[in-house]
Amino acid sequence: ETGVTQSPTHLIKTRGQQVTLRCSSQSGHNTVSWYQQALGQGPQFIFQYYREEENGRGNFPPRFSGLQFPNYSSELNVNALELDDSALYLCASSLEQGFGETQYFGPGTRLLVL
Amino acid sequence: TQLLEQSPQFLSIQEGENLTVYCNSSSVFSSLQWYRQEPGEGPVLLVTVVTGGEVKKLKRLTFQFGDARKDSSLHITAAQPGDTGLYLCAGPLKGNAGNMLTFGGGTRLMVKP
Repeated sequence: ETGVTQSPTHLIKTRGQQVTLRCSSQSGHNTVSWYQQALGQGPQFIFQYYREEENGRGNFPPRFSGLQFPNYSSELNVNALELDDSALYLCASSLEQGFGETQYFGPGTRLLVL
Repeated sequence: TQLLEQSPQFLSIQEGENLTVYCNSSSVFSSLQWYRQEPGEGPVLLVTVVTGGEVKKLKRLTFQFGDARKDSSLHITAAQPGDTGLYLCAGPLKGNAGNMLTFGGGTRLMVKP
């Protein structure tokens, strides 16, 4: 148990729809990162939020956006879903965002886009 | 591009056997981490290696960071069914002074009783 929870566990959407995934970090963790893990691959970094501001982004288009709230929860929003967005979406929280800070991953939300 | 390549992609062995999995890159990393991910769960950090040539042991698992900090290996002695899972190596994203990570593709290990 990492103390990081995600909802929902599974989700099915159709192409063109919008989706919101939720993450609840460990209490006191100021940093949350989101990763996309396609089937059979390693996670890919989407973006990171620190104290409610985006402070880093991977190679993902603007239709991937996020929010972080003062209560240590966060959201990943994906607009105009594409078939290739089907993946496991992982959030990871850490106390701070500095080098070497351990990240604690949630169990993920598995998204299927039809 | 900062790629971490893991080999082998898949490994199926009998309980009691030894194995080594590899994580290689053409780039220098300030540190590398190893994670294990089980079905239905997120990755769990096993170890962080920071110094070139460093060796760390975690019970039956031995982790090594290459002298040039471009590669790492994970050796498991006397594998057990509980070692089954996806083993991922990860390093800091290029140009990032924080903890944003780039991952390898993983090695999927199955240990049969």
